[in-house]
Amino acid sequence: GAVVSQHPSRVICKSGTSVKIECRSLDFQATTMFWYRQFPKKSLMLMATSNEGSKATYEQGVEKDKFLINHASLTLSTLTVTSAHPEDSSFYICSAMTWDTQYFGPGTRLTVL
Amino acid sequence: QKEVEQDPGPLSVPEGAIVSLNCTYSNSAFQYFMWYRQYSRKGPELLMYTYSSGNKEDGRFTAQVDKSSKYISLFIRDSQPSDSATYLCAMSSVVSGGSNYKLTFGKGTLLTVNP
Repeated sequence: GAVVSQHPSRVICKSGTSVKIECRSLDFQATTMFWYRQFPKKSLMLMATSNEGSKATYEQGVEKDKFLINHASLTLSTLTVTSAHPEDSSFYICSAMTWDTQYFGPGTRLTVL
Repeated sequence: QKEVEQDPGPLSVPEGAIVSLNCTYSNSAFQYFMWYRQYSRKGPELLMYTYSSGNKEDGRFTAQVDKSSKYISLFIRDSQPSDSATYLCAMSSVVSGGSNYKLTFGKGTLLTVNP
């Protein structure tokens, strides 16, 4: 099956710093990638849809200036959490689309102190 | 009313039991239904994908969709300790790859299969 990787798997940072999370499709090209956020015992909440070479489409209530998404190539999308605060602490998961299926990365645990 | 409702459990069963997991939904536009399995601190893994109403079987897993009742189920036969995970239902009104495609997830049901 298709493999999606995320890096880093875990990051701890100080309040006010920015953190970049990478999402890569390892063995296929993905024109569309998605970024989700998951709180403990909660469902995955779609944050944004990222299309290669164009601006991301953000879901209602997601601050696009805080969560910067770049999808520069068919195998890489990045999410940058700018000026992170403790309430941004969460599990961030990306996914990448093949022609008919969405494959998920292993997730990144962000802790903001 | 949330678009997708799923009992979070937890659900605990003995090894070998038949497990039934369910979701209800309110959006009649949903046509594509999926079940994902998520192990702790990992990303979701696609288990089953079904379109519209009916049954689909894959090994020990059977997915059922009843669009008239807005109800979907996942059955696991001969459950194993390795099946212990959170199971998430997900659905979409648009075919994957289509414009404006996105998944709406249930909260997930935590399943533990005891040896």
